[in-house]
Amino acid sequence: AQKVTQAQTEISVVEKEDVTLDCVYETRDTTYYLFWYKQPPSGELVFLIRRNSFDEQNEISGRYSWNFQKSTSSFNFTITASQVVDSAVYFCALSELFTGGFKTIFGAGTRLFVKA
Amino acid sequence: GAVVSQHPSRVICKSGTSVKIECRSLDFQATTMFWYRQFPKQSLMLMATSNEGSKATYEQGVEKDKFLINHASLTLSTLTVTSAHPEDSSFYICSARLSAENIQYFGAGTRLSVL
Repeated sequence: AQKVTQAQTEISVVEKEDVTLDCVYETRDTTYYLFWYKQPPSGELVFLIRRNSFDEQNEISGRYSWNFQKSTSSFNFTITASQVVDSAVYFCALSELFTGGFKTIFGAGTRLFVKA
Repeated sequence: GAVVSQHPSRVICKSGTSVKIECRSLDFQATTMFWYRQFPKQSLMLMATSNEGSKATYEQGVEKDKFLINHASLTLSTLTVTSAHPEDSSFYICSARLSAENIQYFGAGTRLSVL
């Protein structure tokens, strides 16, 4: 079964703190994709990163970094030196190939509040 | 990243009327588009997968006669909420898949309020 768990419902930090958002997934496929999206108050989902199941390299993009661990089925997201503009809901997602194409499911989301 | 335009951003309508929402991929062709519904403070729920030139595939529990989906071209999919009722009020989000990267890019969403 396909499942994405984001156990942290809400996180509140003070500006400049580092924060890690957890994501644990379940899949029976060997080929799959993992994503992180940001949803600011405006509502639009903003693509942040895609990882395929064969690429376990961690990635850093500015203040953002991602840790993909297949052994623990986790794909955690860290924001370094958080800023108020980082306040949003962050969704982790898993995409698998089904008959007819890829299907993506989303975790419940983690709402991040960054206070000045 | 690729751009997906969704229109309108907000619509208020009377109960019993139909509402059409458009989703366009502006700078790429999308053979597959998706329609999601999001309730307040909840995750995205996939409603249907829209494939260009063929019938949409609906998720279990989603009424296909209620939520009509048309994907007539590689850049446009539409969702029509027929005979809308207050319980259809929600945030509807479309996405288009960029096949070469297998990344879904999302529209800005449409907030539907049915009075």
